[in-house]
Amino acid sequence: NAGVMQNPRHLVRRRGQEARLRCSPMKGHSHVYWYRQLPEEGLKFMVYLQKENIIDESGMPKERFSAEFPKEGPSILRIQQVVRGDSAAYFCASSPGAGGYTFGSGTRLTVV
Amino acid sequence: QQQVKQSPQSLIVQKGGISIINCAYENTAFDYFPWYQQFPGKGPALLIAIRPDVSEKKEGRFTISFNKSAKQFSLHIMDSQPGDSATYFCAASKDGGSQGNLIFGKGTKLSVKP
Repeated sequence: NAGVMQNPRHLVRRRGQEARLRCSPMKGHSHVYWYRQLPEEGLKFMVYLQKENIIDESGMPKERFSAEFPKEGPSILRIQQVVRGDSAAYFCASSPGAGGYTFGSGTRLTVV
Repeated sequence: QQQVKQSPQSLIVQKGGISIINCAYENTAFDYFPWYQQFPGKGPALLIAIRPDVSEKKEGRFTISFNKSAKQFSLHIMDSQPGDSATYFCAASKDGGSQGNLIFGKGTKLSVKP
C-alpha cells in the first residue's frame, strides 16, 4: 500500500494559468479531503469529497477553485487563473470513513 | 477567528528533556483532538488523538493531557530526542473527526539539541 499519492510534488505556474493537483487515496479509502498550508501556518480545510460527491466545500474559495473525485481515477483540485496568493502547499488526506486520516506529502504550488 | 490557538511558536529542548506544547480551543462542540507531526517536505502524520471523555492518553513517549473545563489540551514529549525535531500541530474537529473538517493550530517548531 503506497499511502496517499499526490502529484506533482512541485508545480510552477505563471499568473493566469491553470493548476491541476492530483490525489490518489489509499487503497480502500473512499473519503478525500483537501487542505492548504501557507508558509508558517497550519493547514486550512478546503473540501471533503466522497466518490462523485462533494460533501463539504465550506473552506473552498468561491471563485477559481473546484474539486472533483470521479468514480474512476484520482481526486483533482483545480485552480483556474492562478494568482501569487495561491502559492502554498496543498495536502490531500484520505480515510476509510470515520476519522483515521492519512495525509499525502503534498503539492507545492508556486505562482510566478 | 482562530478557533484553535497553539503555543509556543517555537521550542528548543535539550535531549532527554520534556517538550510541552499547549493548545486552547473555543468551540465546545469539538469532540476530537489529534496531534500531528510534520517533517520538512512531508505531510502531517497523526501522532496521538484524544476525545473529551478522558483527561489523559499516553502512547509511548507521547502524552495528551485534556482539560475540558478550561478548553485546553497539551502534548508532552518525554525523553525528547533529536529525531523528534519537527513541527507539531494540534487540531480539533466535531462529529468525532468523521467529517474531515479539522481545524489546525499554527504549529510549534520543536528543536531537540543533542
